[in-house]
Amino acid sequence: KQEVTQIPAALSVPEGENLVLNCSFTDSAIYNLQWFRQDPGKGLTSLLLIQSSQREQTSGRLNASLDKSSGRSTLYIAASQPGDSATYLCAVSLDTGNQFYFGTGTSLTVIP
Amino acid sequence: GAVVSQHPSRVICKSGTSVKIECRSLDFQATTMFWYRQFPKKSLMLMATSNEGSKATYEQGVEKDKFLINHASLTLSTLTVTSAHPEDSSFYICSAAGRIAGQYFGPGTRLTVT
Repeated sequence: KQEVTQIPAALSVPEGENLVLNCSFTDSAIYNLQWFRQDPGKGLTSLLLIQSSQREQTSGRLNASLDKSSGRSTLYIAASQPGDSATYLCAVSLDTGNQFYFGTGTSLTVIP
Repeated sequence: GAVVSQHPSRVICKSGTSVKIECRSLDFQATTMFWYRQFPKKSLMLMATSNEGSKATYEQGVEKDKFLINHASLTLSTLTVTSAHPEDSSFYICSAAGRIAGQYFGPGTRLTVT
């Protein structure tokens, strides 16, 4: 069974810092990996989707990398802002149209 | 992009009553819909997978008689929490996948059972 782990569980940084969130998964035979943002009491906002054949995706200040063979992904956030404060979830899917296996999440606080 | 809606966004009910949550794919046909549950400060756990026109497949530990799932059309799946109890209070999120690439998540429904 696929297990997804995220480290750290919580992170607090001053505004302007660059930071890295980590995600690891036990079964490397994934179809894709997705990073989500979740604000308190809200649903999921998709940030970046990486297909298994890709190594990274970028959107604005966000960059996600994927090393499928080692079962790892990182989400890099540049020049963090207080508005980036949220919980970040990574999730992997084993096939198109299949369920996502979610990580445990990293709660990020960016201090003004 | 594809849009998935959920209704209601919030519901409060009394213990012992049943609550129905709808998940709709607004601009695509969803051949498969997934229902997830999220406890406070926890990650999302898959409850069940439903394919249009067939019975849902439940994950281990999820009571199928308590969480009734119906996927009667390509754009609608419903989750009914029967005889709800306070421990059923949670955030329920659906996602939909279809012939288009990708899987899209609804905004979630906050259920509170008093």
